[in-house]
Amino acid sequence: DAGVTQSPTHLIKTRGQQVTLRCSPKSGHDTVSWYQQALGQGPQFIFQYYEEEERQRGNFPDRFSGHQFPNYSSELNVNALLLGDSALYLCASSLRGRGTGANVLTFGAGSRLTVL
Amino acid sequence: AQKVTQAQTEISVVEKEDVTLDCVYETRDTTYYLFWYKQPPSGELVFLIRRNSFDEQNEISGRYSWNFQKSTSSFNFTITASQVVDSAVYFCALSLNDMRFGAGTRLTVKP
Repeated sequence: DAGVTQSPTHLIKTRGQQVTLRCSPKSGHDTVSWYQQALGQGPQFIFQYYEEEERQRGNFPDRFSGHQFPNYSSELNVNALLLGDSALYLCASSLRGRGTGANVLTFGAGSRLTVL
Repeated sequence: AQKVTQAQTEISVVEKEDVTLDCVYETRDTTYYLFWYKQPPSGELVFLIRRNSFDEQNEISGRYSWNFQKSTSSFNFTITASQVVDSAVYFCALSLNDMRFGAGTRLTVKP
């Protein structure tokens, strides 16, 4: 039973470029959340997708956008990259259930983005 | 506001010592969930425990135990007889509609 898979694992971009990160949730999960983890920091919530719609959003600018597909997989897009966007981007999946707060998140290993 | 504070940035212990990781949270909601996750060097966060705001019963799982006290808004994590394999970054998280993490505590267990 595959867990959460993310691609690519590492990538390097330059300032101003755009990047797309991909996530396949754990089998049976229908909700995907994205987090940004800067070096030495805790994961920061970017947004959450359920039923192909953005349901919750953290304090991130509109340069960060996402998408969820009918098969529950998800993409995170970041436009106009800044040096400060360098981080580990974590995808987490869960089964929405009755209350989102109770959901245990299953995390992928992340995509490490370096912006030069 | 939804906030988690892990005041201990780094802790270093010698194998077999007991160690407690502190977590203090802030929320105005009465219904919430608290979590602990472990992040080994591989990067993937591993779920350890979930607690809801109505269940203050302490829990023990092998060498791990958790102490939840609503009166002090704390959810502390103790590892008894630590082992080298316990070395990792540990995160406490508070969840209402989405999960918010503290800054983490890096635990190093030396042989």
